Amino acid sequence: GAGVSQSPSNKVTEKGKDVELRCDPISGHTALYWYRQSLGQGLEFLIYFQGNSAPDKSGLPSDRFSAERTGGSVSTLTIQRTQQEDSAVYLCASSAGRVDTQYFGPGTRLTVL
Amino acid sequence: RKEVEQDPGPFNVPEGATVAFNCTYSNSASQSFFWYRQDCRKEPKLLMSVYSSGNEDGRFTAQLNRASQYISLLIRDSKLSDSATYLCVVEKKSSGDKLTFGTGTRLAVRP
Repeated sequence: GAGVSQSPSNKVTEKGKDVELRCDPISGHTALYWYRQSLGQGLEFLIYFQGNSAPDKSGLPSDRFSAERTGGSVSTLTIQRTQQEDSAVYLCASSAGRVDTQYFGPGTRLTVL
Repeated sequence: RKEVEQDPGPFNVPEGATVAFNCTYSNSASQSFFWYRQDCRKEPKLLMSVYSSGNEDGRFTAQLNRASQYISLLIRDSKLSDSATYLCVVEKKSSGDKLTFGTGTRLAVRP
């Protein structure tokens, strides 16, 4: 079946612009995660959705970052007023349960000029 | 102290070598542990779960030491294709039990 998909695969934007990154999880997966990975660094947790529970936003680095998950499926990560330090690969993952295997999408490479 | 700590490496080994990575975790209540593999410029993928009794999958052996709060990954008979970054992953027993990733250990296998 289809895996996790993300769009766009690459995004170049100017400092100060807003961007939206999209994640389509595997159908039926209740858990969805967003991470960010800077070049040569580990995964930085951003936000976690589990079913109908309130999302765990503890990893969002600032109030410029927000995410939604509509209908328990597709998720959108929005970064407002982008800064150069926001440049990274943004990875989405989904899993069938809270601590089940996470399946990652290919990521969106964001470059802020 | 970081929740999950790994030696970043790189570990440079010849083909056929045996190599071991350790990972320490800070939350003694953690229950689930995994090793993920990430190839250069690719997304992470599950390599294997780590069970209390230790487990083996072909050339790969994972072990858990709860008393010392570390997990290990042993790779025997290294192949060129094993070159990647190996991420240690621990379940965080709070905030909905989400997983916490280590920063990874880079392995380079040379001919």
